[in-house]
Amino acid sequence: QKEVEQDPGPLSVPEGAIVSLNCTYSNSAFQYFMWYRQYSRKGPELLMYTYSSGNKEDGRFTAQVDKSSKYISLFIRDSQPSDSATYLCASGGETSGSRLTFGEGTQLTVNP
Amino acid sequence: DTAVSQTPKYLVTQMGNDKSIKCEQNLGHDTMYWYKQDSKKFLKIMFSYNNKELIINETVPNRFSPKSPDKAHLNLHINSLELGDSAVYFCASSQFGRSETQYFGPGTRLLVL
Repeated sequence: QKEVEQDPGPLSVPEGAIVSLNCTYSNSAFQYFMWYRQYSRKGPELLMYTYSSGNKEDGRFTAQVDKSSKYISLFIRDSQPSDSATYLCASGGETSGSRLTFGEGTQLTVNP
Repeated sequence: DTAVSQTPKYLVTQMGNDKSIKCEQNLGHDTMYWYKQDSKKFLKIMFSYNNKELIINETVPNRFSPKSPDKAHLNLHINSLELGDSAVYFCASSQFGRSETQYFGPGTRLLVL
């Protein structure tokens, strides 16, 4: 079983839709949770990170973590064609300087 | 002004050859990483160095040898390349103990023929 599971999609939505991207994780020792965005043929770009259960908002993006159910979500409001990318969730923090474990990414297309 | 840079961007080579990929960061970070991303976009850590010392060494064939001449550089040398080594290799950096805020380079696309 992978430590971080993510539905690879692809996911296609119309412009303006609310997008929900989800991951589950199995390692109870994970302390922090990240979302990365990766455009085609580019490196991953950190969108958001959070340490605790609850919501964290940044503009149109909201990251949600539920540690009791080991569930990580990213919501994108008013989605734009420029949001079309692969979104990677990641977890880590078992020890100081520990590795990140990534999900396999969800490919999102926002259609104009 | 590029934060994490990698050279080369593309590498096409024959099986059995030896090749190197270079990485440099100008963020003042002290921890650097190498990741491998396969064709399904799955990103997996290979190595991590903190201040020129190896701190993470995942199960990677010993044909892969990282080298860190200083904390701003982390190079990856691959011996006796195999078809299965074809992938995109990403370098990343962060402050030590802040692996939740890693910055990635643009990647090196390696194709082994």
